[in-house]
Amino acid sequence: QVQLQESGPGLVKPSQTLSLTCTVSGGSISSGGYYWSWIRQHPGKGLEWIGYIYYSGSTYYNPSLKSRVTISVDTSKNQFSLKLSSVTAADTAVYYCARARVVIAAVFDYWGQGTLVTVSS
Amino acid sequence: AIRMTQSPSSFSASTGDRVTITCRASQGISSYLAWYQQKPGKAPKLLIYAASTLQSGVPSRFSGSGSGTDFTLTISCLQSEDFATYYCQQYYSYPRTFGPGTKVDIK
Repeated sequence: QVQLQESGPGLVKPSQTLSLTCTVSGGSISSGGYYWSWIRQHPGKGLEWIGYIYYSGSTYYNPSLKSRVTISVDTSKNQFSLKLSSVTAADTAVYYCARARVVIAAVFDYWGQGTLVTVSS
Repeated sequence: AIRMTQSPSSFSASTGDRVTITCRASQGISSYLAWYQQKPGKAPKLLIYAASTLQSGVPSRFSGSGSGTDFTLTISCLQSEDFATYYCQQYYSYPRTFGPGTKVDIK
């Protein structure tokens, strides 16, 4: 059973960089076949896809965030990470990591529990 | 980006009801449509993909239909554990986009 777990600071100051890591257990990122994803949900709102990465390092980003987002992967630790620069209060959200299948259907079949990140001074 | 809309945004229903939620895409997405269920404080859960394929382990009272721009999620006999918010998501093109959600609460 694949499990994903987000970790990182719950509070980030405006203009700084938000950094989160997702640790994957029960499966290897380097085995391929999946995109490793970040999705966020503003308080009381809907879901916004941030982007994802393949184990090879190929990335796909949401154009609305692309200038500020970097997603990276560390296959040796079975982790992938999100960096979002120049944050503002509008980046306050619950951040989820999730797995999306490459074939059959590129849908998000496993999710982490989510971590709330608040942007405030 | 493809814009996803859902209707209604919320409604009340009773256990045992048959309920239908509609999702519409701003352009054709073939059958590249998924449905998720989210309960308060929890991550979304994949219910259906390819518009009508039930994810493993999801009860058969859930079903999906549609193609192109118009899709529906039906719960044939609402159970207490089904009170939640439901989201549709297109994976036809980038960026991946979700609908705004439909909240189903208890009448």
